[in-house]
Amino acid sequence: AQSVTQLDSQVPVFEEAPVELRCNYSSSVSVYLFWYVQYPNQGLQLLLKYLSGSTLVKGINGFEAEFNKSQTSFHLRKPSVHISDTAEYFCAVRWQAGTALIFGKGTTLSVSS
Amino acid sequence: DTEVTQTPKHLVMGMTNKKSLKCEQHMGHRAMYWYKQKAKKPPELMFVYSYEKLSINESVPSRFSPECPNSSLLNLHLHALQPEDSALYLCASSPSDLNTEAFFGQGTRLTVV
Repeated sequence: AQSVTQLDSQVPVFEEAPVELRCNYSSSVSVYLFWYVQYPNQGLQLLLKYLSGSTLVKGINGFEAEFNKSQTSFHLRKPSVHISDTAEYFCAVRWQAGTALIFGKGTTLSVSS
Repeated sequence: DTEVTQTPKHLVMGMTNKKSLKCEQHMGHRAMYWYKQKAKKPPELMFVYSYEKLSINESVPSRFSPECPNSSLLNLHLHALQPEDSALYLCASSPSDLNTEAFFGQGTRLTVV
């Protein structure tokens, strides 16, 4: 079965440090990849997306991600995090036309001073 | 208008009640979705409407009944729910059901007592 794996359930980091949140998916056939952020008691906000083209995609709030087809990965990175980045981050995949988004289990990013 | 609006934000209902959740978007999107999210879990797909027709029902119990009156509105009718149905219900929309991101509302926090 097709799946999305977020390798870290929790990532604690200090303010201004770099961070990487990891995401792997089970198949590279016609994938479309997304990262969403969810703040407490809120809906999901799109951070960035990969549909085609350049494998390095930049998103909002200084985040970027790199699509690696051979490793079936789409890791999220930020060079310097802020306290306000504390939230739940979800990797999501769409495998082919006509299917809905499937989410990974999420990574809780906790930024402390 | 780039928002998906969900009402109400909070809902408490008894197991014998009938209630409805509403979702509205004015972005001209032709696909709309209902997701259910339990605490500390990723969103789980419930229903997909494409061009106002139900295209995916993820084996959701019949006590949840979706309705798409027009291309801007999506309802979720609730009847005879169980306490385990308490969750955050998220509505989302996308331009079509093909390889694009979904835009999420802020959700309705449902508590069944």
